Parts: sequence; structure tokens; C-alpha cells
Amino acid sequence: TQLLEQSPQFLSIQEGENLTVYCNSSSVFSSLQWYRQEPGEGPVLLVTVVTGGEVKKLKRLTFQFGDARKDSSLHITAAQPGDTGLYLCAGGSGGSNYKLTFGKGTLLTVNP
Amino acid sequence: DAMVIQNPRYQVTQFGKPVTLSCSQTLNHNVMYWYQQKSSQAPKLLFHYYDKDFNNEADTPDNFQSRRPNTSFCLLDIRSPGLGDAAMYLCATSRDLWDTQYFGPGTRLTVL
Repeated sequence: TQLLEQSPQFLSIQEGENLTVYCNSSSVFSSLQWYRQEPGEGPVLLVTVVTGGEVKKLKRLTFQFGDARKDSSLHITAAQPGDTGLYLCAGGSGGSNYKLTFGKGTLLTVNP
Repeated sequence: DAMVIQNPRYQVTQFGKPVTLSCSQTLNHNVMYWYQQKSSQAPKLLFHYYDKDFNNEADTPDNFQSRRPNTSFCLLDIRSPGLGDAAMYLCATSRDLWDTQYFGPGTRLTVL
């Protein structure tokens, strides 16, 4: 069974601070997705990373896929209240193992 | 814009009264998934359709069924909802089994 350990589970910060969320596993993933989910809404895809060592930037968000494709991080610079939400990482294994393995999520609150 | 649409967004039903949730997609994706998400938890896969082929997860209760009348449309039937079935139900699609999944906004089910 593949597991994705996501940390921290809860994070409350002030506007303007930086933060990093981590997803770690002992398993190799062929791809890893990051989603953001607001209360009462479905997860919205932020990024997909597929190559070991890959770094992708989306405005103030930086996503990194580990060299061995077992871990990933999401770094937010100068957080804003609009960044508040549940951040989910999800790993895909490809081939016949179609199921996404989800982390338990990081609930981020950015206070004005 | 291509998207995943779920109706209704909120559904209230009575204990034991059958309910059907719907999902449609304009992405022309082959795969459609149904997830159950309870408060502060990651989504849990119930089943998926690859084209017309239905694939049930081993731990999905018999109370949950699904239909896919055409490639753009998928239904989730809960035959006899219990209080424990109150949750957010998410539909997702992907082009193929190992591709990135895109989620709909979800249907919040309340069981009275």
C-alpha cells in the first residue's frame, strides 16, 4: 500500500509570511499533483509534476518534485488571505495502478 | 470552458430514501471517477468508469452504484442512504487512467 505523508496538517500564519508544505513517501510516483480545495468546493488542480527534480512556479507558489520521485514540496511566498484553503498532494503510479494516493491535506489559514 | 459539472450542489435526503447525483463533463475524457469526502479528510475513491467499463473499489459498500449512460455523463446512486453517508461527493475525470484528474465542484449530501 502506498502512503503519502503530508505535513503539517494545520498551518495558521499572518499575511506576508512564507510557508512550505511537504509530501513524503517511501514509494516512487510517476506523477504528483497538488490541489487546493476551498470549503464546499471540489479540489482545483494547481500543478502536475512528472520529472524527478522538476521545479514549477505558479506566481507565488513553487512546487518541487524530489529527484527520486518520492517526495514533493509546495512553497508559498508572501502568503495572502486568498491562499487560505486545504492543500492536497496526490501521487499517481501509472500503468495498471490507476488510483491516486492522497495525502491527508494541509489546512492553511492566512490571517490578514 | 471545458469543465466538470455536478448537480445538484446540495442535496438533502431522508434516511433510506434513494438519491441520485449527477456529473457531466465537456473535457471528452475517457475516465470518470466518483469520490466520497468527509470533513477534513482526503477524497476516498468509490469507483470509476473507463469508457463503459465499470470498476468498483473493493471496500465500496453495495449501497453505492453508478451508471454512465454516455461518455459525458455519469450518475451516482445511493440506494438506501444512512446517516454515515452524509458527505461531499466529488466527480473527477481524466483523459486516461494515469493522467491528471480534474474534479467537479462536488455535491454536499445531507441525510436527515
